[in-house]
Amino acid sequence: QKEVEQDPGPLSVPEGAIVSLNCTYSNSAFQYFMWYRQYSRKGPELLMYTYSSGNKEDGRFTAQVDKSSKYISLFIRDSQPSDSATYLCAMSATRGGSNYKLTFGKGTLLTVNP
Amino acid sequence: DVKVTQSSRYLVKRTGEKVFLECVQDMDHENMFWYRQDPGLGLRLIYFSYDVKMKEKGDIPEGYSVSREKKERFSLILESASTNQTSMYLCASSIARSLAKNIQYFGAGTRLSVL
Repeated sequence: QKEVEQDPGPLSVPEGAIVSLNCTYSNSAFQYFMWYRQYSRKGPELLMYTYSSGNKEDGRFTAQVDKSSKYISLFIRDSQPSDSATYLCAMSATRGGSNYKLTFGKGTLLTVNP
Repeated sequence: DVKVTQSSRYLVKRTGEKVFLECVQDMDHENMFWYRQDPGLGLRLIYFSYDVKMKEKGDIPEGYSVSREKKERFSLILESASTNQTSMYLCASSIARSLAKNIQYFGAGTRLSVL
C-alpha cells in the first residue's frame, strides 16, 4: 500500500461549483498536512496547512483532516477558472528521523470551466 | 516572501554531458531539496541537505550528485546526462530540520531535455 494515495483526476467542473479534493494515507505518524497548488509549468505553492485533526478555513478554501480515517480533504467554494491547476497533498511525521521530509500525493488535475 | 530561485527555466543538453542545476534561497533556510517530477509518478526526492556540506540521499539518487558549499545555494549535478533524466526538476527549501511543521517552498522548476 502506498503511503499517500490521491486520485489523479482529471476533474472538470463548471465555474461556481464546490470542489472536493481528497487524499488517503497509511502512516499514522503523519501529523502535519498540507495542500499545494501547482499551475502548469510552475513550481508548487503552499495553499494551506493543518496540524492533526480538524478543519481550517481560508477564504474560499477549507482543509479537513480526519486522522481516525486517515483521510484529508480540500474544499474549494465558488470555484473560479483561476483555480484550474494541479493540487498536491503533502504530509510529514513528527516521530522518527524523517521529520524534515514531506510525503506527497501524485496530484489531482482540476479544470474549472467558465 | 520566501524566494527560491532556479537558475534556468529550460535546458537542452546532449547525452553524456555534465549538467549543473543551480538553486538559491534567500530566507536562511537550513534544509534544501531537489525533486524531479514526471507525469504519473509525482514528485520524487533525489537528494536533500540539512546543512552546509551535508547531504543525504533521497528516493532516487542514482545518476545524480549534489553540492552545498554555502547555506543559500544547492546544486544538482548530472555527471553524465541520459535521456531518462529528461524531466522537470524542482528545488525546495524549508526552515529547520528539527521542526515537524516543515513547510517546503519551491522554485519555479527547470525543465530539462536530454537529447
